Amino acid sequence: EDKVVQSPLSLVVHEGDTVTLNCSYEVTNFRSLLWYKQEKKAPTFLFMLTSSGIEKKSGRLSSILDKKELFSILNITATQTGDSAIYLCAVGSGGGADGLTFGKGTHLIIQP
Amino acid sequence: DVKVTQSSRYLVKRTGEKVFLECVQDMDHENMFWYRQDPGLGLRLIYFSYDVKMKEKGDIPEGYSVSREKKERFSLILESASTNQTSMYLCASSLGTPGAYGYTFGSGTRLTVV
Repeated sequence: EDKVVQSPLSLVVHEGDTVTLNCSYEVTNFRSLLWYKQEKKAPTFLFMLTSSGIEKKSGRLSSILDKKELFSILNITATQTGDSAIYLCAVGSGGGADGLTFGKGTHLIIQP
Repeated sequence: DVKVTQSSRYLVKRTGEKVFLECVQDMDHENMFWYRQDPGLGLRLIYFSYDVKMKEKGDIPEGYSVSREKKERFSLILESASTNQTSMYLCASSLGTPGAYGYTFGSGTRLTVV
């Protein structure tokens, strides 16, 4: 059975801090790892990672995948209150229509 | 802008009622999915569909059924709602293999069964 574990499950930091969110996985036939941000509505796509060691960046957010050690990290630098959200890690496997497997999410709260 | 639309944002139903949750996508996506999201449990897959009239069970299909009569619409049905089905329900669609294309999510339906 595919498994995705995120840590920490919740995190409270002050504005301006840097945070690192973790995601480890055990899947058969790995295809990709995805990060989503969920505020009070639909989760929105952040990154898709398929290759080991290549950092993806978008503004203050960045993510990297380690396929040997089976984990990914999501970094957010200079955090802002608008970064407060649940961050979801998901893994896609196989070539069919099988759904993504999600972790439980990290609930990040940024205090002013 | 591409969209996945869930018909209701909030819904309150009584125990034993038949409940329909509707999801419509305008992207001509092949695959559609229903998840429920609960605190401490994350997103769990209920059912998915890879074509019209086709459906597959996910990890927690008990107490649910689905219908996909048209490509753009995927309905989740609670035949006889129970309080343990109180949850946030998220619909998602994918152009192809989710591992290659990811999901576009709807805004969710928060269902309360009383």
